[in-house]
Amino acid sequence: KAGVTQTPRYLIKTRGQQVTLSCSPISGHRSVSWYQQTPGQGLQFLFEYFSETQRNKGNFPGRFSGRQFSNSRSEMNVSTLELGDSALYLCASSLPGGDYGYTFGSGTRLTVV
Amino acid sequence: QQPVQSPQAVILREGEDAVINCSSSKALYSVHWYRQKHGEAPVFLMILLKGGEQKGHEKISASFNEKKQQSSLYLTASQLSYSGTYFCGTPGGGTSYGKLTFGQGTILTVHP
Repeated sequence: KAGVTQTPRYLIKTRGQQVTLSCSPISGHRSVSWYQQTPGQGLQFLFEYFSETQRNKGNFPGRFSGRQFSNSRSEMNVSTLELGDSALYLCASSLPGGDYGYTFGSGTRLTVV
Repeated sequence: QQPVQSPQAVILREGEDAVINCSSSKALYSVHWYRQKHGEAPVFLMILLKGGEQKGHEKISASFNEKKQQSSLYLTASQLSYSGTYFCGTPGGGTSYGKLTFGQGTILTVHP
């Protein structure tokens, strides 16, 4: 079966711009989570969506937002980009409950210049 | 609070064994383990649940000590393909079980 698909794979943006990243989960997975990965901070939780509702949120500023659609596809948006937002953004999907582990997408590499 | 992994890095020869530890300062309900190869996405290895149940799809074993709030991942007879960074992840309690907090990672390098 198809894995978690994230688009685009790479992005270069300028400070102050905004960006939207997309994630299509594995068919049947209704839980979608987003993580930011950087060399200094490691893997950090951004938010989790289930049935179009944000269920959990990490400690990130309000510039980071997301949403989930009725087909479980999810998008995250970062507004007013800062240099420190440069990172690998990973999306993960799972069956409800999370007791089956998470399947990660290949990520979107965002570079802010 | 972020779980703490040890060691930070391990270098092995093919066929050798390794143990990676994960400790948390808060009560654990379950522990996830993932491996990430350079430039790739993290891959799910195993989940250990309270009560001793394990769910995984690779030939890697692990233990979960709820009282000590620790988990260990055992890699036996290592292969070159085991190289990568290993992360443990601990979910929040209650409705926050979908919020995984990851350790800082353990870099495993296997040489021929």
